[in-house]
Amino acid sequence: EAQLVESGGGLVQPGGSLTLSCAASGFTFSNYWMSWVRQAPGKGLEWVANIKHDGSAKYYMDSVKDRFTISRDNAENSLYLQMSTLSSEDTAVYYCARVGCHDVSSYFCNWGQGVLVTVAS
Amino acid sequence: DIQMTQSPSTLSASVGDRITITCRASQSISKWLAWYQQKPGRAPKLLIYQASSLETGVPSRFSGSGSGTEFTLTVSSLQPDDFATYYCQQYNSYSITFGQGTRLEIK
Repeated sequence: EAQLVESGGGLVQPGGSLTLSCAASGFTFSNYWMSWVRQAPGKGLEWVANIKHDGSAKYYMDSVKDRFTISRDNAENSLYLQMSTLSSEDTAVYYCARVGCHDVSSYFCNWGQGVLVTVAS
Repeated sequence: DIQMTQSPSTLSASVGDRITITCRASQSISKWLAWYQQKPGRAPKLLIYQASSLETGVPSRFSGSGSGTEFTLTVSSLQPDDFATYYCQQYNSYSITFGQGTRLEIK
């Protein structure tokens, strides 16, 4: 069974940086696109970034371009999100998600439990 | 970006009811739509992909339909476990967007 476990969240000051990690197991990680999706407290879901199975293509939502970097290590079955120049608007639970289990399409078939990032002074 | 609008925002219903949630896209997304269920403090769960394909393990009382700009999620007979928030998501473009959510509450 597919499992995704995020780590690295916490409290960070405005303007600071943080890196999230996601450990994948139970499926062939290198075969799938992966994503980060976030949810601000009491709000809806917001897609953040996608990365192709081999890391050769990456896509970001406009408000995080140039501040966030998605990456992966297929040898370690791990996904990462490097976040910089953080603001209070980035406060959210960040989910790691597997993309397109049944075909090459960008729906999210497996999700981690989420990790909270709080940006505050 | 493609905007996704769900209606209603909140829906009150009883166990055994048939309910429908609508999701409208600001431009055509063909069949590239998914539905998720989320309970408080939990990660979302995929219910439907490609507008009408039922995810493995999801009860058959859930169904999806539509194409182009208008889509629906139907629950044929509500069970106690179904009271949650539901989101639609389009994946027609590389810029993925979600609807704002529909909270399904017990009447």
